[in-house]
Amino acid sequence: EADIYQTPRYLVIGTGKKITLECSQTMGHDKMYWYQQDPGMELHLIHYSYGVNSTEKGDLSSESTVSRIRTEHFPLTLESARPSHTSQYLCASRAHSNYGYTFGSGTRLTVV
Amino acid sequence: SQKIEQNSEALNIQEGKTATLTCNYTNYSPAYLQWYRQDPGRGPVFLLLIRENEKEKRKERLKVTFDTTLKQSLFHITASQPADSATYLCALGDTGGFKTIFGAGTRLFVKA
Repeated sequence: EADIYQTPRYLVIGTGKKITLECSQTMGHDKMYWYQQDPGMELHLIHYSYGVNSTEKGDLSSESTVSRIRTEHFPLTLESARPSHTSQYLCASRAHSNYGYTFGSGTRLTVV
Repeated sequence: SQKIEQNSEALNIQEGKTATLTCNYTNYSPAYLQWYRQDPGRGPVFLLLIRENEKEKRKERLKVTFDTTLKQSLFHITASQPADSATYLCALGDTGGFKTIFGAGTRLFVKA
């Protein structure tokens, strides 16, 4: 019973295309995050937000941008997709900084 | 650099036995440590959080210990079941919650 939703679940796209990965949560959490994860590897923070109109870059900004216009919505945009962007993208939220994260099911992106 | 080490080799155990997974870390002074379960192609699911001043925490069949001197956490699943088969991730967080780092996880297989 996920309270955080990511779309699409899978996406195959050509090099150079612009894409937006959607993330919405219904829990009213102020803190939201985007992580990137390759198979068998650690999660790496791409972007995070501590509330509306607040966005920060993480360790791996990966030429992407985010916006936080509404509390529940935190989309990630790749302006020009490259094969190196092929990965799983995970959106997460939490109520407070020392609470556990609630993750979405992820978007598996393949750039050909 | 800050680093989390989890056993990269899969752990195979028989149903009914206790599974013990290890999380070691270096160059980090965490305020808390979290454990997550991740199934293939899905986002991690939060299981337990233990704070730096806590030695042990339990939740149903799960037990976590946290030794800040050894820089190690142990995660136990008692009376393991095949449904417990998954990858288990360890994550460390600082006081402000600005910097959470994740381990790559340990794959657990429970045989019937």
